[in-house]
Amino acid sequence: GNSVTQMEGPVTLSEEAFLTINCTYTATGYPSLFWYVQYPGEGLQLLLKATKADDKGSNKGFEATYRKETTSFHLEKGSVQVSDSAVYFCALRNDYKLSFGAGTTVTVRA
Amino acid sequence: DAEITQSPRHKITETGRQVTLACHQTWNHNNMFWYRQDLGHGLRLIHYSYGVQDTNKGEVSDGYSVSRSNTEDLPLTLESAASSQTSVYFCASSDQRQGGQETQYFGPGTRLLVL
Repeated sequence: GNSVTQMEGPVTLSEEAFLTINCTYTATGYPSLFWYVQYPGEGLQLLLKATKADDKGSNKGFEATYRKETTSFHLEKGSVQVSDSAVYFCALRNDYKLSFGAGTTVTVRA
Repeated sequence: DAEITQSPRHKITETGRQVTLACHQTWNHNNMFWYRQDLGHGLRLIHYSYGVQDTNKGEVSDGYSVSRSNTEDLPLTLESAASSQTSVYFCASSDQRQGGQETQYFGPGTRLLVL
């Protein structure tokens, strides 16, 4: 079956620090991969996605590369801001359905 | 603007009562989904629908049901609420016609407390 494993949090960083959240997956076939972000009290928003191997998704300074050889889709941002404090979810899609990781809570201190 | 809405946003109920959570989208999307969010589990799929009159069970469907009588709505019913169903519920939709490029869009969530 499909599954997503992402690094456990919480993660606490200072402003302008480098952020990495690891995500690995198990799936049949060739899934699409996503990062969603959930700000406090809100629903999930798509942050970025990649639909095939070696694709790089990017948005708002965040990047993630679809690595088929390591079955990974790690999220990175070079310089975080307080406004990046949120819960981040890695997900894969097969047959229109999403499978989510457990989520990583990120807190950025000024 | 097209959107996806959920109601109520907060609900308190008692064990054994029937509860229905509403989800309405105005994008004319074929696909609709219900998830529950619990700490340590991320989001887990409850039920989903690929079109009118189509419904399917997800990984945590026990105690829940859905019906799809039109494109816009997918209500989620808890037949007899249990304390284990205390959670935050999210509805989502996507456009099947994008054929593998579709993105799921999420509603704001309903926070349900079963006492």
